[in-house]
Amino acid sequence: KQEVTQIPAALSVPEGENLVLNCSFTDSAIYNLQWFRQDPGKGLTSLLLIQSSQREQTSGRLNASLDKSSGRSTLYIAASQPGDSATYLCAVPDRGSTLGRLYFGRGTQLTVWP
Amino acid sequence: SQTIHQWPATLVQPVGSPLSLECTVEGTSNPNLYWYRQAAGRGLQLLFYSVGIGQISSEVPQNLSASRPQDRQFILSSKKLLLSDSGFYLCAWSALDNQPQHFGDGTRLSIL
Repeated sequence: KQEVTQIPAALSVPEGENLVLNCSFTDSAIYNLQWFRQDPGKGLTSLLLIQSSQREQTSGRLNASLDKSSGRSTLYIAASQPGDSATYLCAVPDRGSTLGRLYFGRGTQLTVWP
Repeated sequence: SQTIHQWPATLVQPVGSPLSLECTVEGTSNPNLYWYRQAAGRGLQLLFYSVGIGQISSEVPQNLSASRPQDRQFILSSKKLLLSDSGFYLCAWSALDNQPQHFGDGTRLSIL
């Protein structure tokens, strides 16, 4: 069973800063890793999915990297904006599983102030 | 495009009452379907998943059950709610194995 840890638990920064959110997982035999965003009281929005064969994925100001061997992923947010304020979650599936049973970290709560 | 709907958005129930939460997906066929719970101070936990009609796998022993009566319908139920069943319940779907999961807006369940 995967254990997923996210650091930091909370982050508060002024607008415009570049940010790095960290995710680590205990079992490196994964097919993919997914980053989500959750606004207060809302469901999850998928941001990026990195396949095990990839080292990074980019979407707009977001860049996610994956290092399977060390069990780590980072989410890089460039030029942060107040609208980026949310909780960011990473999730990985079971060892060798593609069935989509995901294990989540507890998230990083990000606040970007103007 | 595909959409996922959950209802109700908010629910307040007394201890011992039954529960039925519904989730439907539109715009895709034979999706994998999932129920998660997000409890206060805890991370998201997978409760059930389904790869087809009538096929339900349970991840943790609990007071809840799930059913999939139709291809794109997933129902979470309980016969008698406990205080510990309070939380934020999220339904999700994925098109194929190893594809992104997409979540509904969730149901906030409070047990009194």
